[in-house]
Amino acid sequence: AQTVTQSQPEMSVQEAETVTLSCTYDTSESDYYLFWYKQPPSRQMILVIRQEAYKQQNATENRFSVNFQKAAKSFSLKISDSQLGDAAMYFCAYILTSGTYKYIFGTGTRLKVLA
Amino acid sequence: DGGITQSPKYLFRKEGQNVTLSCEQNLNHDAMYWYRQDPGQGLRLIYYSQIVNDFQKGDIAEGYSVSREKKESFPLTVTSAQKNPTAFYLCASSIGSSGYYNEQFFGPGTRLTVL
Repeated sequence: AQTVTQSQPEMSVQEAETVTLSCTYDTSESDYYLFWYKQPPSRQMILVIRQEAYKQQNATENRFSVNFQKAAKSFSLKISDSQLGDAAMYFCAYILTSGTYKYIFGTGTRLKVLA
Repeated sequence: DGGITQSPKYLFRKEGQNVTLSCEQNLNHDAMYWYRQDPGQGLRLIYYSQIVNDFQKGDIAEGYSVSREKKESFPLTVTSAQKNPTAFYLCASSIGSSGYYNEQFFGPGTRLTVL
């Protein structure tokens, strides 16, 4: 079965601190793309970061980075120097590179940033 | 600017009525999607379309219908058969070219409330 599990329904972090959101997924395929999306209170979904499964190097985007462990099927998101604007729902997702156009999403982690 | 528009932002429906949610994109994307989001839950796929004049059921298609007559447009009709239609609806698109899957781009969403 193709699934994405985000085991932390809610997380809190102090402003300027670092937080890691976990994500595990299940697929028997070897080629896929992984994504983290942010949904702030406005509910507009925004791409945070993307990782190609064939790349061993972890993706980074400014204060956002991932820890991609392909064998463990783990794709965690690290947010450094957390800011109040980072408060949002974060969704992990993936899509296979062939055979389907269907994206598989997790249930999300709500991140609270404390001033 | 390229993007995805959804209208209306808020929609109220009486029980027994059909309503149509609009989704338009000018990104020249082949693939388009409709998701439903309920409070505290992730995204559930209603329908998706890989190309004009073709679409597939997602995980919760019952009570919904779609059309894809133009590349730019993918309207969703919520029919009276949908037992609990009150939710937030998100439209998305992606390049969708075979062998090249990029991130999904999302519209701002439509909040549907059944009175």
